[in-house]
Amino acid sequence: DTEVTQTPKHLVMGMTNKKSLKCEQHMGHRAMYWYKQKAKKPPELMFVYSYEKLSINESVPSRFSPECPNSSLLNLHLHALQPEDSALYLCASSQSRDRGSYEQYFGPGTRLTVT
Amino acid sequence: AQTVTQSQPEMSVQEAETVTLSCTYDTSENNYYLFWYKQPPSRQMILVIRQEAYKQQNATENRFSVNFQKAAKSFSLKISDSQLGDTAMYFCAFMKPFLDKLIFGTGTLLAVQP
Repeated sequence: DTEVTQTPKHLVMGMTNKKSLKCEQHMGHRAMYWYKQKAKKPPELMFVYSYEKLSINESVPSRFSPECPNSSLLNLHLHALQPEDSALYLCASSQSRDRGSYEQYFGPGTRLTVT
Repeated sequence: AQTVTQSQPEMSVQEAETVTLSCTYDTSENNYYLFWYKQPPSRQMILVIRQEAYKQQNATENRFSVNFQKAAKSFSLKISDSQLGDTAMYFCAFMKPFLDKLIFGTGTLLAVQP
């Protein structure tokens, strides 16, 4: 089973709201990722968690705050977003690199609209 | 820095025919991984095929196969017996081991016509 789930599917929020995106995987993967994707563009990496520790932060603005409560869950907390933050937010996971497995499995995404 | 180039923004193929999507990359590394991902209109990104650079044999997954030319830094995807469900954006991606970072190309939008 290579399933990564994301909730909610769609989210509309105002610029002063606080909301969270959730991602879950039950494949025993030890690395989890957040990506942002604009229409007709490739995904852009935002954050990587490896063994529940933040290992990569691609200079993302502080209005995006990731959290990894355990090895199966990944959250993205959103606060004071801008309209240009409207995009598809994808979560992915992969097995640990020391198992020689590098492919990432993606969730269906959350389509975020900031008004 | 590594870069991935997909020179065909859009392609079209008739159902049941074969189509090849191009991808080239630039790296000074000797060991790395290459992937093709498919993103249909539903927007779920799906792994199609992977290739380890140290393996000379081209990867194959059912109707999908790659032509990996390491010296030329080329990694094309061949789709045989195209089906309507193959309509999607296809992204080529590169990864260095131990870096957890996928570098994507700009994508090729493939339309399979009935």
